[in-house]
Amino acid sequence: GAVVSQHPSRVICKSGTSVKIECRSLDFQATTMFWYRQFPKQSLMLMATSNEGSKATYEQGVEKDKFLINHASLTLSTLTVTSAHPEDSSFYICSARLQGLNTEAFFGQGTRLTVV
Amino acid sequence: DQQVKQNSPSLSVQEGRISILNCDYTNSMFDYFLWYKKYPAEGPTFLISISSIKDKNEDGRFTVFLNKSAKHLSLHIVPSQPGDSAVYFCAASEGVSGNTPLVFGKGTRLSVIA
Repeated sequence: GAVVSQHPSRVICKSGTSVKIECRSLDFQATTMFWYRQFPKQSLMLMATSNEGSKATYEQGVEKDKFLINHASLTLSTLTVTSAHPEDSSFYICSARLQGLNTEAFFGQGTRLTVV
Repeated sequence: DQQVKQNSPSLSVQEGRISILNCDYTNSMFDYFLWYKKYPAEGPTFLISISSIKDKNEDGRFTVFLNKSAKHLSLHIVPSQPGDSAVYFCAASEGVSGNTPLVFGKGTRLSVIA
């Protein structure tokens, strides 16, 4: 099946620094990618929809200036957590769906971010 | 307000028996439903899906049932195996386009006991 690769899988950073997470669709083109965040024992919460060549669409309550999303090509979307704080520590997962009718979503491996 | 609900946070089943995981939804516009399996610190893995025009879809040991009138779906795993132990997420999508995101439930942790 289609593959979505996410990097890095784990990152520890200091408060106030920025972290970039990459999401790549390896064998298909994705005009749209999705960024989710998962807190312990919670669901995957949609943060934003990344659109190739245009601005991302953010869900209510997600700070667009804090979580910068860039979708510069049909196979790459990046999420940058700016000025990270400990409360940003979480598991971030990207996803992309194949175009067409009723397609499944493929997920990256996820990124465990720890802000110290 | 959660649009996809998995009311059982955990489930324990004996190896070889049937596992039944339940999911309810509130958005009547959802027309495509999926089940994902997830291990800690990994992304979800697709298991099985069903569109709203069907009421059953089967793939090997996994069967998904959809009751549109009740806005309810369930995943049956039979026979259950220890390797099935994981967190299972129910997800739903509105619209058939690949540009719409999935909405997830909170997940059910399945433990299959040998």
